[in-house]
Amino acid sequence: LAKTTQPISMDSYEGQEVNITCSHNNIATNDYITWYQQFPSQGPRFIIQGYKTKVTNEVASLFIPADRKSSTLSLPRVSLSDTAVYYCLVGDGGYSTLTFGKGTMLLVSP
Amino acid sequence: EAQVTQNPRYLITVTGKKLTVTCSQNMNHEYMSWYRQDPGLGLRQIYYSMNVEVTDKGDVPEGYKVSRKEKRNFPLILESPSPNQTSLYFCASSPLAGNYNEQFFGPGTRLTVL
Repeated sequence: LAKTTQPISMDSYEGQEVNITCSHNNIATNDYITWYQQFPSQGPRFIIQGYKTKVTNEVASLFIPADRKSSTLSLPRVSLSDTAVYYCLVGDGGYSTLTFGKGTMLLVSP
Repeated sequence: EAQVTQNPRYLITVTGKKLTVTCSQNMNHEYMSWYRQDPGLGLRQIYYSMNVEVTDKGDVPEGYKVSRKEKRNFPLILESPSPNQTSLYFCASSPLAGNYNEQFFGPGTRLTVL
């Protein structure tokens, strides 16, 4: 399994764009990159997934460089309700065990 | 409504008293798993199941048992709970195994073992 490294915490203000980078130097050819969001005392929730280049949905964008050794979750114009822990996962269908790691605690202030 | 349910949501028990936390999903998912979450340690996978009658250990299986007799249910069993199993537990399901399948999580069960 590819190991991931994320910042432990980040701070931002309402209305700013937030970029959270995940490092995964040992990513395998068949691995996908998935991000989850977790609010306190709730289960994680899927945000976005990608394999290469850029993926965008209604809540976030995911940027993956050509070497795929890192990925960046971009949250445009964050609000107070985006305060949460964000997890980066790397793996593919061959891995039944999924490792979430410790995630990045994002704190958005007024 | 598509969902994963867990019961109970909160439980306080004593060391050694067997308990079961139930998990049920109504999405006909093949893959189900259990996680525990502790401060500073993130989410760690306890057990998972690829399908009915197929279960396997995750990263922290010691002290836990599971069973998968029906596709929708995946109970977590603590035969002899100890204080170090005090934690927040999440059940999750996905259509198939693997990271490219979105996992759906239950609301969590907060367990305290005295």
